Amino acid sequence: KNQVEQSPQSLIILEGKNCTLQCNYTVSPFSNLRWYKQDTGRGPVSLTIMTFSENTKSNGRYTATLDADTKQSSLHITASQLSDSASYICVVSALRGHSNYQLIWGAGTKLIIKP
Amino acid sequence: DTAVSQTPKYLVTQMGNDKSIKCEQNLGHDTMYWYKQDSKKFLKIMFSYNNKELIINETVPNRFSPKSPDKAHLNLHINSLELGDSAVYFCASSQMTSSGTQYFGPGTRLLVL
Repeated sequence: KNQVEQSPQSLIILEGKNCTLQCNYTVSPFSNLRWYKQDTGRGPVSLTIMTFSENTKSNGRYTATLDADTKQSSLHITASQLSDSASYICVVSALRGHSNYQLIWGAGTKLIIKP
Repeated sequence: DTAVSQTPKYLVTQMGNDKSIKCEQNLGHDTMYWYKQDSKKFLKIMFSYNNKELIINETVPNRFSPKSPDKAHLNLHINSLELGDSAVYFCASSQMTSSGTQYFGPGTRLLVL
C-alpha cells in the first residue's frame, strides 16, 4: 500500500535554531517527492520538488534531501524565523502509466517557532 | 492577481441545505482539483479534472458533484449537507504532469450546523 509517513507530528523550537523534519514513504513506482508549506488558514505552497536522481535541493534556508534507496526524505530549516511556523507536508508522486500519476499526501509536521 | 481563487471564503449553513463553492484559476493550467482538509489537518483529494474531463474521483459521497464549465473553472456542489461535511475545502490547479506543481486557492471554510 502506498503510504507517506511524517515525523515528528509537531515540533516547537526557538527562533534562530535549526530543525529537521522527516518523511518516509512506501510508494512505487516513485516519480518525485515534494515538500509543501501550509501557513495557518492558507493553502499549501510548494517548497521543493525532488526526482529520483536528486539527493539534495535547497530553497533559501530550506534544504531537502532524498535517499531513494531507503525511501526517506528530510527537510532541514536553518536559522528558523517566526514566519517558518506552519505545517510542512511531504507529497510523493507515484506513476500510474503514461501521463497518469497518483499523489500520496503525508499528514504533515506542525512546526512552531517561539521567540 | 490571484492565481487560484475560491468563493466564498466562509460558508455557514444548516444541515440538509445545498451549497456550491466556486473555483477559478488564471494560470492557464489544464488540471484542477478539489481537496478536503478536516479538523486533523489531513489533506485528502476528492476530484481532479483535466481539460474538463473527470480523471480522479476518490471515494466521495455522491452528494458531492463537481462541475467544470471550462478549463479555468471547477465548481463543487454539495447536496443535503451533513455535519461531517464541515471542513476546509481547497481548490488547486497544475499542469497535467507528475512533476506539475499544484497551486492552491485560499480555501473555503464550511461549517454545517
